[in-house]
Amino acid sequence: DAKTTQPNSMESNEEEPVHLPCNHSTISGTDYIHWYRQLPSQGPEYVIHGLTSNVNNRMASLAIAEDRKSSTLILHRATLRDAAVYYCILRDGTDKLIFGTGTRLQVFP
Amino acid sequence: DTGVSQDPRHKITKRGQNVTFRCDPISEHNRLYWYRQTLGQGPEFLTYFQNEAQLEKSRLLSDRFSAERPKGSFSTLEIQRTEQGDSAMYLCASSSKTLAYEQYFGPGTRLTVT
Repeated sequence: DAKTTQPNSMESNEEEPVHLPCNHSTISGTDYIHWYRQLPSQGPEYVIHGLTSNVNNRMASLAIAEDRKSSTLILHRATLRDAAVYYCILRDGTDKLIFGTGTRLQVFP
Repeated sequence: DTGVSQDPRHKITKRGQNVTFRCDPISEHNRLYWYRQTLGQGPEFLTYFQNEAQLEKSRLLSDRFSAERPKGSFSTLEIQRTEQGDSAMYLCASSSKTLAYEQYFGPGTRLTVT
């Protein structure tokens, strides 16, 4: 299973942008990059995913490096409700998700 | 659409007892997944169904674990002869055939084995 590396924790102030990095140097050409987040006492929730091009949705943006060996999840304006553990996941052709330990994001008012 | 539901939300059992958990996926989602999460770790994949067929099982799923999805609707996860190491949060997720990339997770069942 392809592996990802994320910082254990990050901090942000409310209403500031947050850039959550992820390294995946062993990514293969067919692996999609997925991001999920897990709020306290809840199951994970899908945030965004991409293959090669940058992606935007209502929750976040995903910036993928040209060599695809790293990616960055961007929260444009952090809110207190964005405090969660963020998981970067490489997904091959199978349906299962392989979670790492993620990045715990703290947001301060 | 009420989302993925799991029952019970909490279960305390004594070592050696059998337990069964239920998961009701989002209606019309044909794919259903079970994960296990221990404190401080990300969820670990256990098994996956497409309709009623169990397509993949993790090596983590020992012989004491069995999962079923009769008629391709709800699913049950049974743990026989529970051990203290089975204490964890058991998460269920579902996804549709057309949007398979997005898994919707339930709130989980927290199991404590004493």
